[in-house]
Amino acid sequence: AQSVTQLGSHVSVSEGALVLLRCNYSSSVPPYLFWYVQYPNQGLQLLLKYTSAATLVKGINGFEAEFKKSETSFHLTKPSAHMSDAAEYFCAVSFYGGSQGNLIFGKGTKLSVKP
Amino acid sequence: GAGVSQSPSNKVTEKGKDVELRCDPISGHTALYWYRQSLGQGLEFLIYFQGNSAPDKSGLPSDRFSAERTGGSVSTLTIQRTQQEDSAVYLCASRRTSGGNTGELFFGEGSRLTVL
Repeated sequence: AQSVTQLGSHVSVSEGALVLLRCNYSSSVPPYLFWYVQYPNQGLQLLLKYTSAATLVKGINGFEAEFKKSETSFHLTKPSAHMSDAAEYFCAVSFYGGSQGNLIFGKGTKLSVKP
Repeated sequence: GAGVSQSPSNKVTEKGKDVELRCDPISGHTALYWYRQSLGQGLEFLIYFQGNSAPDKSGLPSDRFSAERTGGSVSTLTIQRTQQEDSAVYLCASRRTSGGNTGELFFGEGSRLTVL
């Protein structure tokens, strides 16, 4: 069965510091992987996705993630945090990109950015 | 429409009452999903529609929960005899299933349900 584990429910960084949010997945078939961001009182917005093309994926707002099959990981990084990055981040895996495409989500990591 | 629209954005109800939550997906999106987001629990899958059919209802937590979709568009999630544990944000998402599908879901802003 597919599943997603996000390490750390809360991460706090200083403005300008590296952001690293961890995600590990379990999937019996090649996965599609996603990172979504949720700002307070808003829905989820796609940051980036891996769909079996390049293993290093660049997304919006300077975020990127690298698919590492050997480590079953898809960690999200950003070189320099901004105050506006404070939000909750969700990693998700898709069963398959075909007929159903249901996403299985991790429990989320809340990112705080200190001035 | 331009995005996924959900209503009401906030709903406060008394225990035992029925509630209906509405989702209007992006025009042309044939797949529609309902998720429940509870504090500290992430997103819990409830039900998936392909057109008007629901091939996967596996996430509905009890028989008090039901959903329908009509005209391949608007969906309604109904919770009967609400309980306090039903308090959560209910998120709807839609997705294309043709023309270059990559599995991305587009989410609405959610309906926050509070059961007193």
